[in-house]
Amino acid sequence: EPEVTQTPSHQVTQMGQEVILRCVPISNHLYFYWYRQILGQKVEFLVSFYNNEISEKSEIFDDQFSVERPDGSNFTLKIRSTKLEDSAMYFCASQGPGAYEQYFGPGTRLTVT
Amino acid sequence: GQQLNQSPQSMFIQEGEDVSMNCTSSSIFNTWLWYKQDPGEGPVLLIALYKAGELTSNGRLTAQFGITRKDSFLNISASIPSDVGIYFCAGQDSGYALNFGKGTSLLVTP
Repeated sequence: EPEVTQTPSHQVTQMGQEVILRCVPISNHLYFYWYRQILGQKVEFLVSFYNNEISEKSEIFDDQFSVERPDGSNFTLKIRSTKLEDSAMYFCASQGPGAYEQYFGPGTRLTVT
Repeated sequence: GQQLNQSPQSMFIQEGEDVSMNCTSSSIFNTWLWYKQDPGEGPVLLIALYKAGELTSNGRLTAQFGITRKDSFLNISASIPSDVGIYFCAGQDSGYALNFGKGTSLLVTP
């Protein structure tokens, strides 16, 4: 069964450094998302991406964040200058055409020290 | 996003018991989705609901979309140890962004 994959599974970085989190969505899907989950809390929406542009974003998704679909398979989240409070699990999700179900990847645990 | 109230916060039951959990919102949702999350993993979709009043089953799981479109419940019948995990409701209003509840943590003892 097709699934969303994410790399790396765990990323440790120093405050102020840039990180890029990578996702490979399910192949025929058209809508792509990033969510984050701070330890012990609920999953929070960051951004949605469709037709090579951002379609929605939350207040969390400020100028430090950017997303890109550099080729036909990858979808990336970049955090330009990480802060301690960016430490969280980051989940990528994708959604097929004409559907509402979002399928999540296994997540990348980001630890900012 | 809209505030979703999910209850109970946690449940501790014996294997074989039935479980019920629910989500309520002050505003209308167009879609309700239920996910299960195991520790250190991503949410796994269990059931998706699209219409007010809709009742949908997936094996031992049954979920309903409330007729007011402001609530949803999830039932698990005859629980087994592998049902352990955190169950999240999530709703979509005007856009596609999912608004998640805080989760119900389920523990099942053999």
